[in-house]
Amino acid sequence: GEDVEQSLFLSVREGDSSVINCTYTDSSSTYLYWYKQEPGAGLQLLTYIFSNMDMKQDQRLTVLLNKKDKHLSLRIADTQTGDSAIYFCAVRGLYNFNKFYFGSGTKLNVKP
Amino acid sequence: EAGVTQFPSHSVIEKGQTVTLRCDPISGHDNLYWYRRVMGKEIKFLLHFVKESKQDESGMPNNRFLAERTGGTYSTLKVQPAELEDSGVYFCASSQDRVSVDTIYFGEGSWLTVV
Repeated sequence: GEDVEQSLFLSVREGDSSVINCTYTDSSSTYLYWYKQEPGAGLQLLTYIFSNMDMKQDQRLTVLLNKKDKHLSLRIADTQTGDSAIYFCAVRGLYNFNKFYFGSGTKLNVKP
Repeated sequence: EAGVTQFPSHSVIEKGQTVTLRCDPISGHDNLYWYRRVMGKEIKFLLHFVKESKQDESGMPNNRFLAERTGGTYSTLKVQPAELEDSGVYFCASSQDRVSVDTIYFGEGSWLTVV
């Protein structure tokens, strides 16, 4: 199966940019996602990128994909306290499209 | 339109007891998935239903776990007997189109604690 790795914690100050990193092992991964989980809540899809893209921007969110290094990152500009949550990287394979492989999640703490 | 709903939201049971988790997918969604996150680790795939049929149950950890989806509507996930390592959050998700990019919707999860 696919291995998806993320650092466990990230702490930033309000107004700074946050960069959450993710690495994966399966080069055939087609779609790569970022999900957000707020305390006590479910998984909210933030954004996704297709493997033939290297960047996608959506308001304060920028996703960068380095397919050669199998590295995905999520940049949150002007981070707010409401962005404090766990962020999960997830990839979807070419041959088993119904199965998402998630990382362990990065807990983002935004200090006022 | 109602989203994916899961019940119970929280459950605390003793080791050896049985717990049944329920998931109601979005109406009309043929695809239903179960995932779980234990002990702060990664979220792992358990199984996938297409209507009432199990399409892929490769992620089910052992035979203490039984998932059903009678009639192709709601699904249940039974853990019997529960063990301490089963503690975690169990997510259900549904989608209408198997190959859609982003239209997989997750519920809020059922948080299970086995003591």
